[in-house]
Amino acid sequence: EDKVVQSPLSLVVHEGDTVTLNCSYEVTNFRSLLWYKQEKKAPTFLFMLTSSGIEKKSGRLSSILDKKELFSILNITATQTGDSAVYLCAVSSGGGADGLTFGKGTHLIIQP
Amino acid sequence: GAGVSQSPRYKVAKRGQDVALRCDPISGHVSLFWYQQALGQGPEFLTYFQNEAQLDKSGLPSDRFFAERPEGSVSTLKIQRTQQEDSAVYLCASSLDNGAYLYEQYFGPGTRLTVT
Repeated sequence: EDKVVQSPLSLVVHEGDTVTLNCSYEVTNFRSLLWYKQEKKAPTFLFMLTSSGIEKKSGRLSSILDKKELFSILNITATQTGDSAVYLCAVSSGGGADGLTFGKGTHLIIQP
Repeated sequence: GAGVSQSPRYKVAKRGQDVALRCDPISGHVSLFWYQQALGQGPEFLTYFQNEAQLDKSGLPSDRFFAERPEGSVSTLKIQRTQQEDSAVYLCASSLDNGAYLYEQYFGPGTRLTVT
């Protein structure tokens, strides 16, 4: 059975801090790993990673995948209160465009 | 530029009632997915369509759950004889992914179902 484990489950930091969110996985036939941000509504897409060692970056957010050690990290630098959300990691596996297997999420709170 | 839309946004049903949840995917998206998200948990996969074909329904929790996408666009998730454990947010997602290339999934706002 495919498994995605995120850590920490919750994190409280101050505005301006840098945070690192972790995601480890065990899946058969790995296709891609995705990060989403969820703020009391639809998860919004952040990154899709398919290759090891290639950092994806969008503003203050960046992510990288290690397919040998089966994990990914999501970094957020210079955090702002608007970054407060649940960050979900998900993995796509299987021979076709199957459903994503999600972790439980990291609940990130940025205090002013 | 419409995203994925879902209706209703909130639904309260009495135990034993049937409910139907609708999903309008992004126009042109081949793949459509349904997920169930319990409070404090990540979404869990229910079923997947590629166009009108339901290719995977392994996540449907019981035979009370049924999904269709008859014309390869709008999809309906039906739950018969609702139980309290069905209370959750039901998320729909769509993707350009036709199995040949990798594309991200885009999510709708969800339908929050409460069974009383």
